[in-house]
Amino acid sequence: QVQLQESGPGLVKPSETLSLTCTVSRGSISNSHYYWGWIRQSPGKGLEWIGGVYYSGSASYNPSLKSRVTISVDRSKNQFSLKLTSVTAADTAVYYCARHPYDTSDSYIHAPLFGGQGTLVTVSS
Amino acid sequence: DIQMTQSPSTLSASVGDRVTITCRASQSISNWLAWYQQKPGKAPNLLIYKASTLESGVPSRFSGSGSGTEFTLTISSLQPDDFATYYCHHYNSNLFTFGPGTKVDIK
Repeated sequence: QVQLQESGPGLVKPSETLSLTCTVSRGSISNSHYYWGWIRQSPGKGLEWIGGVYYSGSASYNPSLKSRVTISVDRSKNQFSLKLTSVTAADTAVYYCARHPYDTSDSYIHAPLFGGQGTLVTVSS
Repeated sequence: DIQMTQSPSTLSASVGDRVTITCRASQSISNWLAWYQQKPGKAPNLLIYKASTLESGVPSRFSGSGSGTEFTLTISSLQPDDFATYYCHHYNSNLFTFGPGTKVDIK
């Protein structure tokens, strides 16, 4: 069973960049049948899909966050990463990485499977 | 944007009860609907996808139905392990939207 583990700072200052990494174990990030995603959960906004990336590097983002988000993949390290710029208190949340089953026949990205325990990121000075 | 709503927001029930949670989409989403269970401090766990397909390993007391704009999650006989928050989720390749959740607690 593929396992995912989030890592990164738990505290980020307002206006700075939030950076998280998800390490994939017991499986390959280059598996063509998966799409790798980031989802966050805050008391105020509930569960929110941030975006995702395919092993090729092709990424997609939630339109509401697109201007501030970059998701990338590092196949050599079996990791994918999230960068969220210009953070505010509204970005305080538990951040999860997940894998989406990916249908290569029609390029359809399916509902996420949450693999990690999540990591709390607090935006505060 | 497609909006997802759930009712009720909180549900009090007893062990053995049949429980039904409703999810509505602001426009037709065919059957691109999943259900998750989340317990405190844990990540959401996928129960059902494509509105009615049970994820591997999920007990058969869970079932899903619906298409278009109205969907239901049913727990046929509530077990102690089922007290949790349940979320519906619309997925459409590059568009992913979660409902606000329904908390099932002990009556």
